[in-house]
Amino acid sequence: NAGVTQTPKFQVLKTGQSMTLQCAQDMNHNSMYWYRQDPGMGLRLIYYSASEGTTDKGEVPNGYNVSRLNKREFSLRLESAAPSQTSVYFCASSEKRADISGANVLTFGAGSRLTVL
Amino acid sequence: SQQGEEDPQALSIQEGENATMNCSYKTSINNLQWYRQNSGRGLVHLILIRSNEREKHSGRLRVTLDTSKKSSSLLITASRAADTASYFCAEGTSGTYKYIFGTGTRLKVLA
Repeated sequence: NAGVTQTPKFQVLKTGQSMTLQCAQDMNHNSMYWYRQDPGMGLRLIYYSASEGTTDKGEVPNGYNVSRLNKREFSLRLESAAPSQTSVYFCASSEKRADISGANVLTFGAGSRLTVL
Repeated sequence: SQQGEEDPQALSIQEGENATMNCSYKTSINNLQWYRQNSGRGLVHLILIRSNEREKHSGRLRVTLDTSKKSSSLLITASRAADTASYFCAEGTSGTYKYIFGTGTRLKVLA
């Protein structure tokens, strides 16, 4: 059971280049999320998708786009990378858990470390 | 910023001691969760407390919630070296699927 898989694990870009971070989950979860983690800032929500076909902005959406390709996959695109987007990016998925009264619990991927020069 | 805050930012204790970390959140919550992150890894869910609960236990973990103060605390009893990690609270905002994480507490347990 792979859980949440992110690719690539590491990437170095030059300013202005574009790239897509891929995320796939095999747990049949409805909701998916993209976070970025910077030192001292904790995790900040970029975008999320409550269900297939919907996406919503989080705390820091500027400079990013997302696509919920199907129930399994949720990609994050940087159209024109900037040094301020150097970060570790985490994808997560969630489901309602009957054992805790229907609350959602997030399952995270291992992260993608992006450096923009 | 919508992000909540945790304190202390860093905590260093001896094995066997208790560790307490606190979380201040900002939104109207449906639930509050605590996650753990080992160095270089993704986050792992530890425990959840619903907005109508005041205290929850799971093994060596005890979570409290005070909705009037918009605060929560996580207590780890009889800590072990393996508890060394960063701990984050996450507020589950009412009416949405959005989860906002705090800034985290780095815990170091010395053997």
